[in-house]
This record gives sequence, structure tokens and C-alpha cells, in this order.
Amino acid sequence: AQSVTQLGSHVSVSEGALVLLRCNYSSSVPPYLFWYVQYPNQGLQLLLKYTSAATLVKGINGFEAEFKKSETSFHLTKPSAHMSDAAEYFCAVTFSGGSQGNLIFGKGTKLSVKP
Amino acid sequence: NAGVTQTPKFRILKIGQSMTLQCAQDMNHNYMYWYRQDPGMGLKLIYYSVGAGITDKGEVPNGYNVSRSTTEDFPLRLELAAPSQTSVYFCASSRDRAYGYTFGSGTRLTVV
Repeated sequence: AQSVTQLGSHVSVSEGALVLLRCNYSSSVPPYLFWYVQYPNQGLQLLLKYTSAATLVKGINGFEAEFKKSETSFHLTKPSAHMSDAAEYFCAVTFSGGSQGNLIFGKGTKLSVKP
Repeated sequence: NAGVTQTPKFRILKIGQSMTLQCAQDMNHNYMYWYRQDPGMGLKLIYYSVGAGITDKGEVPNGYNVSRSTTEDFPLRLELAAPSQTSVYFCASSRDRAYGYTFGSGTRLTVV
């Protein structure tokens, strides 16, 4: 079955430190991969997406992610954390052979940023 | 652009009551979706639609119904509310799978 796994339900970093949020997927067909961010009491906002073009994808707010087929991973990074990055982050996947483009979401990683 | 609009934002229901969660989008997207979000569980797909008049079940459809009479609107109906339906509900729309989704701001529902 196709799935996505986010390692770590909570990640805490200091302001200015590297942010690394991990996402692995399983699929037998080429995936489309997404990262979304959710601020408290808000909906989800698209950060970035991979759709089979460049493997290093740049998104909003200084985030980027690299698609690594050999590792079935799509980890999210940001060189220097800011207090405003504190939120919950969701990795999501759909597949070129999937049903009507329905996204499958990971369980989320809550990022805390310490001053 | 308004994007995806959900109403109401909050609602408390008593067990056995019914209600309709409204969702409207103004982007002319064919695909629309309803998800529920529970703490630590990510988002689970309830129902989806690929166009007016066409709907299908997702992962957790029991206790819910949908209709899609127009491209813009995709209401979610809860019949006989149960405490297990206490959740945050998100509506989303998309042009196609490669573009990702645009989400509404959610409806927080409590069943007591």
C-alpha cells in the first residue's frame, strides 16, 4: 500500500539553527510530493511541491526539500530557523497512478523554535 | 480571491443531531475534498468529488454524506452526530494532482 511516514512527531530547534523534518514514502509508481504548513487554528498552506522536475525544490519562507528516489525520501530543510516557523508540518504524497489525485498525508511534525 | 470558504468555523452538536458543513470555492476547480483532522493522526479523507454530480468515498466515509450539484459547492452532511465525529474538518480543492490542494480554514466540530 502507498503511504507516507514522518519521523518525529515533535522537533525542537533553537532560533538560527538548521531545521530538518523527515518524510519517507512508499510507492511503486512515480510520486508527486508536497509539504504543507499549518499554523495554530488555521488551514494548511502549501510550502513546496515535487512533480518530477528538479529534485531540489525551493518553497516559501526559505524552505526547501530534496527528492531522493533511492532513499524514497523528501526531507524538508531550512538553514536558519525563525520564531515564526513554529507550526505543524505535513508531508503528503499522491501518485501518477493514484485515484483522482487524492493526497495521502503523514501524521505531521510539530516544530518548536526556542529563542 | 476568496479561495475555499468554509462555514461555520465552530459548532457544538448534541448526540443524534444533524448538520451540514458548507464549502465553496471560486477557482473553478473540478476536484474537491473533505478531510477530518484529529490530533496526532494527520488528515483522513472522508469524501471527494471530481466534478459536479460525481462523488466518491474516501478512507473514513461512515456517518457522512456529500453532494456536488455545482462546481463551486461541496457540502458535507452529518447525520445522527456521534462523539467520534468530534474533529476539525477541512475542505480543499485542486485543479489537478500536480498542483496540490487549496484548503479552507476549517470547521471545529464538537459533539456532546
